[in-house]
Amino acid sequence: GAGVSQSPRYKVAKRGQDVALRCDPISGHVSLFWYQQALGQGPEFLTYFQNEAQLDKSGLPSDRFFAERPEGSVSTLKIQRTQQEDSAVYLCASSHLPTGSNEKLFFGSGTQLSVL
Amino acid sequence: GQQVMQIPQYQHVQEGEDFTTYCNSSTTLSNIQWYKQRPGGHPVFLIQLVKSGEVKKQKRLTFQFGEAKKNSSLHITATQTTDVGTYFCADGNTDKLIFGTGTRLQVFP
Repeated sequence: GAGVSQSPRYKVAKRGQDVALRCDPISGHVSLFWYQQALGQGPEFLTYFQNEAQLDKSGLPSDRFFAERPEGSVSTLKIQRTQQEDSAVYLCASSHLPTGSNEKLFFGSGTQLSVL
Repeated sequence: GQQVMQIPQYQHVQEGEDFTTYCNSSTTLSNIQWYKQRPGGHPVFLIQLVKSGEVKKQKRLTFQFGEAKKNSSLHITATQTTDVGTYFCADGNTDKLIFGTGTRLQVFP
Protein backbone atom coordinates (compact mmCIF):
# COMPACT_ATOMS: atom_id res chain seq x y z
CA GLY A 1 0.00 0.00 0.00
CA ALA A 2 0.91 3.65 -0.18
CA GLY A 3 1.45 4.07 3.54
CA VAL A 4 1.42 2.29 6.88
CA SER A 5 -2.07 1.02 7.61
CA GLN A 6 -3.39 0.32 11.10
CA SER A 7 -6.67 -1.20 12.20
CA PRO A 8 -8.93 -0.70 13.94
CA ARG A 9 -8.74 3.08 14.09
CA TYR A 10 -10.59 3.07 17.42
CA LYS A 11 -11.06 0.29 19.93
CA VAL A 12 -13.12 0.35 23.10
CA ALA A 13 -12.49 -2.54 25.46
CA LYS A 14 -13.85 -3.51 28.82
CA ARG A 15 -11.25 -3.98 31.51
CA GLY A 16 -9.99 -7.56 31.38
CA GLN A 17 -10.75 -8.03 27.71
CA ASP A 18 -8.06 -9.08 25.22
CA VAL A 19 -7.40 -6.88 22.18
CA ALA A 20 -5.43 -7.30 18.96
CA LEU A 21 -4.12 -4.35 16.98
CA ARG A 22 -2.98 -4.78 13.40
CA CYS A 23 -0.26 -3.00 11.44
CA ASP A 24 0.35 -3.33 7.71
CA PRO A 25 3.68 -1.60 6.93
CA ILE A 26 4.80 -0.15 3.64
CA SER A 27 5.56 -2.97 1.23
CA GLY A 28 9.20 -4.01 1.36
CA HIS A 29 9.99 -2.24 4.59
CA VAL A 30 12.31 -4.33 6.72
CA SER A 31 11.95 -2.61 10.09
CA LEU A 32 8.71 -2.31 12.03
CA PHE A 33 8.21 -0.50 15.32
CA TRP A 34 5.38 -0.24 17.82
CA TYR A 35 5.05 2.87 19.98
CA GLN A 36 2.58 3.82 22.68
CA GLN A 37 1.50 7.45 22.93
CA ALA A 38 -0.42 8.66 25.96
CA LEU A 39 -2.44 11.87 25.69
CA GLY A 40 -0.15 14.90 25.57
CA GLN A 41 3.02 12.80 25.61
CA GLY A 42 5.63 11.74 23.10
CA PRO A 43 5.62 8.27 21.56
CA GLU A 44 7.16 5.64 23.85
CA PHE A 45 8.99 2.71 22.27
CA LEU A 46 7.46 -0.71 22.79
CA THR A 47 9.12 -3.18 20.42
CA TYR A 48 11.03 -3.54 17.15
CA PHE A 49 11.12 -6.14 14.37
CA GLN A 50 13.61 -6.68 11.62
CA ASN A 51 11.70 -8.80 9.13
CA GLU A 52 10.10 -11.53 11.29
CA ALA A 53 12.68 -11.32 14.08
CA GLN A 54 11.74 -9.38 17.19
CA LEU A 55 15.08 -7.77 18.04
CA ASP A 56 14.03 -5.55 20.90
CA LYS A 57 11.02 -5.82 23.18
CA SER A 58 12.45 -3.84 26.07
CA GLY A 59 9.64 -1.29 25.98
CA LEU A 60 6.75 -3.70 26.48
CA PRO A 61 5.30 -2.64 29.85
CA SER A 62 4.30 -6.09 31.06
CA ASP A 63 3.91 -9.70 30.02
CA ARG A 64 0.34 -8.87 29.04
CA PHE A 65 1.76 -7.26 25.90
CA PHE A 66 2.81 -9.48 23.03
CA ALA A 67 3.78 -8.63 19.45
CA GLU A 68 4.44 -10.76 16.43
CA ARG A 69 5.32 -10.44 12.76
CA PRO A 70 5.34 -14.04 11.59
CA GLU A 71 5.93 -13.50 7.87
CA GLY A 72 7.96 -10.33 8.07
CA SER A 73 5.19 -8.05 6.86
CA VAL A 74 1.95 -7.58 8.84
CA SER A 75 2.37 -7.26 12.60
CA THR A 76 -0.08 -7.72 15.45
CA LEU A 77 0.18 -6.20 18.91
CA LYS A 78 -1.87 -8.16 21.42
CA ILE A 79 -2.78 -6.93 24.87
CA GLN A 80 -4.23 -9.46 27.27
CA ARG A 81 -6.48 -8.63 30.22
CA THR A 82 -6.53 -4.93 29.38
CA GLN A 83 -6.27 -2.39 32.18
CA GLN A 84 -7.29 1.25 32.26
CA GLU A 85 -3.65 2.34 32.15
CA ASP A 86 -3.37 0.67 28.73
CA SER A 87 -5.58 3.41 27.26
CA ALA A 88 -3.44 5.24 24.69
CA VAL A 89 -2.80 5.57 20.98
CA TYR A 90 -0.73 2.69 19.63
CA LEU A 91 1.40 3.77 16.70
CA CYS A 92 3.08 1.51 14.21
CA ALA A 93 5.99 2.72 12.09
CA SER A 94 8.17 1.17 9.42
CA SER A 95 11.38 1.93 7.60
CA HIS A 96 13.05 0.26 4.66
CA LEU A 97 16.47 -0.14 6.25
CA PRO A 98 17.34 -2.90 8.72
CA THR A 99 18.47 -0.46 11.39
CA GLY A 100 15.76 2.03 12.17
CA SER A 101 17.73 4.68 13.95
CA ASN A 102 19.44 6.06 10.86
CA GLU A 103 16.41 6.09 8.66
CA LYS A 104 13.22 8.05 8.88
CA LEU A 105 10.14 6.30 10.15
CA PHE A 106 6.80 6.26 8.38
CA PHE A 107 3.98 6.17 10.90
CA GLY A 108 0.48 4.82 10.59
CA SER A 109 -2.54 6.75 11.84
CA GLY A 110 -2.58 4.71 15.04
CA THR A 111 -5.17 2.78 16.99
CA GLN A 112 -6.79 4.70 19.82
CA LEU A 113 -7.49 2.21 22.60
CA SER A 114 -9.88 3.12 25.38
CA VAL A 115 -10.24 0.69 28.27
CA LEU A 116 -13.35 1.22 30.37
CA GLY B 1 17.65 5.98 31.64
CA GLN B 2 18.11 8.00 28.53
CA GLN B 3 15.94 11.09 28.38
CA VAL B 4 15.34 13.66 25.71
CA MET B 5 13.82 16.84 27.06
CA GLN B 6 12.22 19.59 25.04
CA ILE B 7 11.39 23.14 25.99
CA PRO B 8 9.05 24.85 26.03
CA GLN B 9 6.29 22.30 26.57
CA TYR B 10 3.72 24.60 25.04
CA GLN B 11 3.81 27.92 23.17
CA HIS B 12 1.22 30.29 21.78
CA VAL B 13 2.33 32.74 19.09
CA GLN B 14 0.62 35.28 16.90
CA GLU B 15 0.75 34.49 13.21
CA GLY B 16 3.91 36.04 11.77
CA GLU B 17 5.94 35.68 14.96
CA ASP B 18 8.94 33.39 15.18
CA PHE B 19 9.04 30.15 17.20
CA THR B 20 11.88 28.03 18.57
CA THR B 21 11.88 24.67 20.33
CA TYR B 22 14.94 23.23 22.03
CA CYS B 23 15.87 19.59 22.49
CA ASN B 24 18.38 18.48 25.14
CA SER B 25 19.80 15.04 25.82
CA SER B 26 21.57 13.60 28.84
CA THR B 27 23.87 11.66 26.51
CA THR B 28 25.70 12.37 23.27
CA LEU B 29 23.45 11.88 20.27
CA SER B 30 24.61 9.97 17.21
CA ASN B 31 21.92 11.60 15.12
CA ILE B 32 18.68 13.44 15.74
CA GLN B 33 15.43 13.45 13.83
CA TRP B 34 12.56 15.94 13.98
CA TYR B 35 8.90 15.05 13.51
CA LYS B 36 5.70 17.08 13.36
CA GLN B 37 2.39 15.77 14.63
CA ARG B 38 -0.75 17.68 13.75
CA PRO B 39 -3.67 17.56 16.21
CA GLY B 40 -5.32 14.15 15.84
CA GLY B 41 -2.63 13.02 13.42
CA HIS B 42 0.48 10.91 13.46
CA PRO B 43 4.16 11.94 13.54
CA VAL B 44 5.56 12.95 10.15
CA PHE B 45 9.30 13.07 9.51
CA LEU B 46 10.80 16.50 8.91
CA ILE B 47 14.57 16.10 8.89
CA GLN B 48 17.62 14.25 10.23
CA LEU B 49 20.81 15.85 11.54
CA VAL B 50 24.01 13.85 11.85
CA LYS B 51 27.06 16.13 12.01
CA SER B 52 28.19 18.27 14.92
CA GLY B 53 27.17 21.90 14.35
CA GLU B 54 25.05 20.99 11.34
CA VAL B 55 22.44 23.49 10.17
CA LYS B 56 19.72 22.60 7.69
CA LYS B 57 16.91 24.72 6.29
CA GLN B 58 13.53 23.84 4.86
CA LYS B 59 11.79 27.01 3.70
CA ARG B 60 10.86 28.80 6.95
CA LEU B 61 12.24 26.01 9.19
CA THR B 62 15.85 26.00 10.41
CA PHE B 63 17.26 22.97 12.22
CA GLN B 64 20.50 23.01 14.18
CA PHE B 65 22.60 20.32 15.86
CA GLY B 66 24.80 21.42 18.75
CA GLU B 67 28.58 21.31 18.60
CA ALA B 68 28.70 18.77 21.42
CA LYS B 69 25.85 16.77 19.84
CA LYS B 70 23.81 16.94 23.04
CA ASN B 71 21.23 19.44 21.89
CA SER B 72 19.28 20.54 18.87
CA SER B 73 16.85 23.27 17.94
CA LEU B 74 14.09 23.96 15.46
CA HIS B 75 13.31 27.56 14.54
CA ILE B 76 10.31 28.63 12.51
CA THR B 77 10.37 32.09 10.96
CA ALA B 78 7.12 33.98 10.50
CA THR B 79 4.76 31.26 11.71
CA GLN B 80 1.58 30.43 9.83
CA THR B 81 -1.57 28.71 11.04
CA THR B 82 -0.47 25.62 9.11
CA ASP B 83 2.47 25.30 11.52
CA VAL B 84 0.12 24.29 14.34
CA GLY B 85 1.01 20.96 15.91
CA THR B 86 3.46 19.25 18.23
CA TYR B 87 7.12 19.12 17.27
CA PHE B 88 9.17 16.18 18.51
CA CYS B 89 12.88 15.59 18.37
CA ALA B 90 13.98 11.96 18.44
CA ASP B 91 17.31 10.47 19.41
CA GLY B 92 18.62 7.77 17.12
CA ASN B 93 21.42 6.73 19.45
CA THR B 94 20.37 3.09 19.61
CA ASP B 95 18.48 0.71 17.36
CA LYS B 96 15.27 2.60 18.06
CA LEU B 97 14.19 6.22 18.13
CA ILE B 98 13.69 7.76 21.57
CA PHE B 99 11.25 10.63 21.28
CA GLY B 100 11.44 13.84 23.21
CA THR B 101 8.64 15.26 25.30
CA GLY B 102 7.48 17.52 22.46
CA THR B 103 6.60 21.19 22.08
CA ARG B 104 3.03 21.99 21.25
CA LEU B 105 2.69 25.07 19.05
CA GLN B 106 -0.51 27.07 18.76
CA VAL B 107 -0.67 29.88 16.19
CA PHE B 108 -3.33 32.56 16.44
CA PRO B 109 -4.38 34.36 13.24
